[in-house]
Amino acid sequence: QVQLVQSGAEVKKPGASVKVSCKASGYTFTGYYMHWVRQAPRQGLEWMGRINADTGDTTYAQNFQDRVTITRDTSISTLYMEVIRLTSDDTAVYYCTRTRGDGDKSEFEHWGQGTLVTVSS
Amino acid sequence: EIVLTQSPATLSLSPGERATLSCRASQSVSSYLLWYQQKPGQAPRLLIYEASNRATGIPARFSGSGSGTDFTLTISSLEPEDFAVYYCQQRRDWPLTFGGGTKVEIK
Repeated sequence: QVQLVQSGAEVKKPGASVKVSCKASGYTFTGYYMHWVRQAPRQGLEWMGRINADTGDTTYAQNFQDRVTITRDTSISTLYMEVIRLTSDDTAVYYCTRTRGDGDKSEFEHWGQGTLVTVSS
Repeated sequence: EIVLTQSPATLSLSPGERATLSCRASQSVSSYLLWYQQKPGQAPRLLIYEASNRATGIPARFSGSGSGTDFTLTISSLEPEDFAVYYCQQRRDWPLTFGGGTKVEIK
């Protein structure tokens, strides 16, 4: 079965960077697009960006274009999301997701467990 | 960007009652509208895709309808496990966007 297992919680200071990983299993990693979605405390869901796990091609939400980088390592079926220049507004749970179909905008059928990133001085 | 507005923000109902949730898009998204359920401390779960198709394993009491700009998620008879927050999402255009959510709470 499809599993997405994310790295553990992080505490960072303002101005620092964080890199979250998402280990995929149970399917052909390069056959699907992967996305990152975040959720600030007691807030809604916010789409951050996506990557073609085969080619590495990326698309980002404009809000994150300058500070977020999504990458993958196909040899270990792992997705990464790095955020630089963190502020307190980046405190959130970050989710990796896999699409249901093979299109880049296909719905998010599989989700990681979430990684809490706390930004605090 | 396409803005999705969900209403009401909170729906207070009793088990066994019918729940009707609304999602309105700022421009047409055709049928590219999805619904997710999220319980506290959990990741969202896909319920409905393409406005009206139930995802794998989703009970028949969940149904979706609509096209263009107005969409509805209906839960025909609320079970105790259905009390949660529900989000709509459009996949018509970049950036992908979510509605603000509707919380279905026990009355």
